[in-house]
Amino acid sequence: DQQVKQNSPSLSVQEGRISILNCDYTNSMFDYFLWYKKYPAEGPTFLISISSIKDKNEDGRFTVFLNKSAKHLSLHIVPSQPGDSAVYFCAAIHSAASKLTFGTGTRLQVTL
Amino acid sequence: DVKVTQSSRYLVKRTGEKVFLECVQDMDHENMFWYRQDPGLGLRLIYFSYDVKMKEKGDIPEGYSVSREKKERFSLILESASTNQTSMYLCASSSPATGGPSTSWTDTQYFGPGTRLTVL
Repeated sequence: DQQVKQNSPSLSVQEGRISILNCDYTNSMFDYFLWYKKYPAEGPTFLISISSIKDKNEDGRFTVFLNKSAKHLSLHIVPSQPGDSAVYFCAAIHSAASKLTFGTGTRLQVTL
Repeated sequence: DVKVTQSSRYLVKRTGEKVFLECVQDMDHENMFWYRQDPGLGLRLIYFSYDVKMKEKGDIPEGYSVSREKKERFSLILESASTNQTSMYLCASSSPATGGPSTSWTDTQYFGPGTRLTVL
């Protein structure tokens, strides 16, 4: 039972354009969300997070949007750069249950 | 800079062997975690530890055990390896923000590079 889903296993975007990575969840008790980025042969690194009391959080080129009614969050990267090519995992936290659940990952390829 | 190291990048073992995966962090973090990463399934939590000699089961603990005798080291043990344990294993550590609870799941986790284990 995959409670956090990233329905696009891969995405290709041209350099300079916007990359939009999507994540859907089923558990309405999730109250904190994170994005991690993973390069080949390296462990995931934290990218950006958002609390459920907010609907947007921005950090430089990265913005995360949260739509609680739709149980959907998205990561926007603008402008996309070749160095952004990686696998992106979303993760959701149910704080009261001490539960962290990762999504299945989306491989982003930024082309020249 | 936080550094999490894992003892092996690649490991090949035979069915039934006892396997030890070691993880060391150098930032005095209280919390340590073991995940496995499989295609189409993302990262799944196997075990975590919020203090020396303390351990908690994650989502998929079956077939695994852990040991945390020292704060900086967290070991994952496969008592009798099976082919369905072929996977990428990732270790992570985190530390609560000042004044935060001992295991705050919102704390940033720092991951090691992973160990790709193949069980034949």
